[in-house]
Amino acid sequence: SQQGEEDPQALSIQEGENATMNCSYKTSINNLQWYRQNSGRGLVHLILIRSNEREKHSGRLRVTLDTSKKSSSLLITASRAADTASYFCATAPYYGGSQGNLIFGKGTKLSVKP
Amino acid sequence: DAGVIQSPRHEVTEMGQEVTLRCKPISGHNSLFWYRQTMMRGLELLIYFNNNVPIDDSGMPEDRFSAKMPNASFSTLKIQPSEPRDSAVYFCASSFDFFRSPLHFGNGTRLTVT
Repeated sequence: SQQGEEDPQALSIQEGENATMNCSYKTSINNLQWYRQNSGRGLVHLILIRSNEREKHSGRLRVTLDTSKKSSSLLITASRAADTASYFCATAPYYGGSQGNLIFGKGTKLSVKP
Repeated sequence: DAGVIQSPRHEVTEMGQEVTLRCKPISGHNSLFWYRQTMMRGLELLIYFNNNVPIDDSGMPEDRFSAKMPNASFSTLKIQPSEPRDSAVYFCASSFDFFRSPLHFGNGTRLTVT
């Protein structure tokens, strides 16, 4: 069954605006990871947040995690045309295991118009 | 660091033919993962290796699929015989640490089976 579900499926904004994408999951997690995929390319890791963390920053990216609501959000501030890509959340289950237990959502397609 | 290298980038073949996809992980990474991506099913994990040993191949769809990792710097995914429903983008990813390190993806092989 699908663990991470991103919302919205697609998002279109103007350059300079902020973009917020959400991820909901069903079972307890050890960590949650966000990846970006440009068209025709592989996924690129953006940020990992552990279950005992609530917020993490990396440059223009801000990730929050609410384990009580089983949800996470990815905020991209001051978006640029180069941020146009699909964004995926991936959850690692609480029972440990390995990166082989990562479950990816279907992604949010972000389009940033110049 | 050249990243994960996959070949070929595109493969078009006829139904019934054998297809071999190749992957060179990042040097020093001890885990390797094969994924398949389609619009309908998203990103699916097929098989993964740790220290060249297959750990879990439960995602391999059928016996027509097989994967090997003869050494730390090379892996293959073989489909024999291929079918049109195997058409997808196949990604290889590697990670430094089996349990926590982010996945580094190659740019994929787009397979079309006619």
